[in-house]
Amino acid sequence: NAGVMQNPRHLVRRRGQEARLRCSPMKGHSHVYWYRQLPEEGLKFMVYLQKENIIDESGMPKERFSAEFPKEGPSILRIQQVVRGDSAAYFCASSPVGGSYEQYFGPGTRLTVT
Amino acid sequence: AQSVTQLDSQVPVFEEAPVELRCNYSSSVSVYLFWYVQYPNQGLQLLLKYLSGSTLVKGINGFEAEFNKSQTSFHLRKPSVHISDTAEYFCAVSPYGGSQGNLIFGKGTKLSVKP
Repeated sequence: NAGVMQNPRHLVRRRGQEARLRCSPMKGHSHVYWYRQLPEEGLKFMVYLQKENIIDESGMPKERFSAEFPKEGPSILRIQQVVRGDSAAYFCASSPVGGSYEQYFGPGTRLTVT
Repeated sequence: AQSVTQLDSQVPVFEEAPVELRCNYSSSVSVYLFWYVQYPNQGLQLLLKYLSGSTLVKGINGFEAEFNKSQTSFHLRKPSVHISDTAEYFCAVSPYGGSQGNLIFGKGTKLSVKP
């Protein structure tokens, strides 16, 4: 059973470009969570999605960030017009049920904005 | 709202010595508690979790943690560490019955095991 998959593992973008981060949850999991890890910080929750639904986006910045989890395909975290402060590791986790007690994490995407 | 405090940002220890990584939390509701480990350039792996029942929880790789409700703590322990335990450890909580589903993490403790 494959774990949570994220791609790309490393992404370099120039300021002003768009970044698209992909997450495929574990097989059988229909709940996806995105977290951001800044240097020397713990993980901060961004958004929680089910298929075709955003359940909780209380941790998402108000501008430039969006997330989706379509009926088919991976979950996408999209960052428009990236700035240097967006440089971070972005982790996706999945769970089989909502409000889950246990989340399984992917290896992360390390975004560098130059 | 919930918050998690990991009291030590770095813990150096010699191989085969015991170690305790401290975690305290603050919450107005009951919480579930977790410890995750992150090896360099990797994702997080669940070490152990407390949902209910016995307050002493055993996890993978010989780790255990004890939930202390009165002190709102969930310290992680291992009686004898190995070089391979060198990693960053994160304590996390999730509010009981919460619908939002997100975990609240501490800032992490870097465990460095020296030969």
